[in-house]
Amino acid sequence: EVQLVETGGGLVQPGRSLKLSCVASGFTFNNYWMSWTRQAPGKGLEWVASITNSGGSTYYPDSVKGRFTISRDNAQNTLYLQMNSLRSEDTATYYCTRDYDGYYLDYWGQGVMVTVSS
Amino acid sequence: DIQMTQSPASLSASLGETVTIECLASEDIYSNLAWYQQKPGKSPQLLIYYANSLNDGVPSRFSGSGSGTQYSLKINSLQSEDVSIYFCQQNYDSPRTFGGGTKLELK
Repeated sequence: EVQLVETGGGLVQPGRSLKLSCVASGFTFNNYWMSWTRQAPGKGLEWVASITNSGGSTYYPDSVKGRFTISRDNAQNTLYLQMNSLRSEDTATYYCTRDYDGYYLDYWGQGVMVTVSS
Repeated sequence: DIQMTQSPASLSASLGETVTIECLASEDIYSNLAWYQQKPGKSPQLLIYYANSLNDGVPSRFSGSGSGTQYSLKINSLQSEDVSIYFCQQNYDSPRTFGGGTKLELK
């Protein structure tokens, strides 16, 4: 059974940093791209970052480019999202997602809440 | 960025009814479209990929169709467990973009 378990969320002040982790199990982690997708409270979904299975390439939308960094440790089956210079508009539930080669997101974690507020 | 416009934003239907949700892309996305279902308080789940391919374990009353810029999700014989928010997403070009969602409720 595929499982994705996110940790690391919480309350953080604007301008500060936070790092999310996602431990994957139930599939061969290094065979799959992985992504982060977020959902602001009561709002829709927004793709945040993707990384290829080897970790050699990463992709971001303009809204987080230069502030967020996605990475992975294939030996530990763990995906990360380093978030710097956080803004109030980054407040959201962040989902770790298994990514089918950059096309669709076929498994989602339970999500972790990040609140950016002073 | 490719804009994805879903309609309607909300929908109320009766048990056993057939419902259709539309998704319009601002340019041709060549069937690179996925549909997700988000039940209340839960994470989204993949329903349909490549516009019309049913994900494993998804009931056959769900179907997807469309091409070019126009796509639809059809639910036959609506069940109570189908109460959810449905999102479309294009995967043709970066950044991947989602529709605003369609909230489906029971009448």
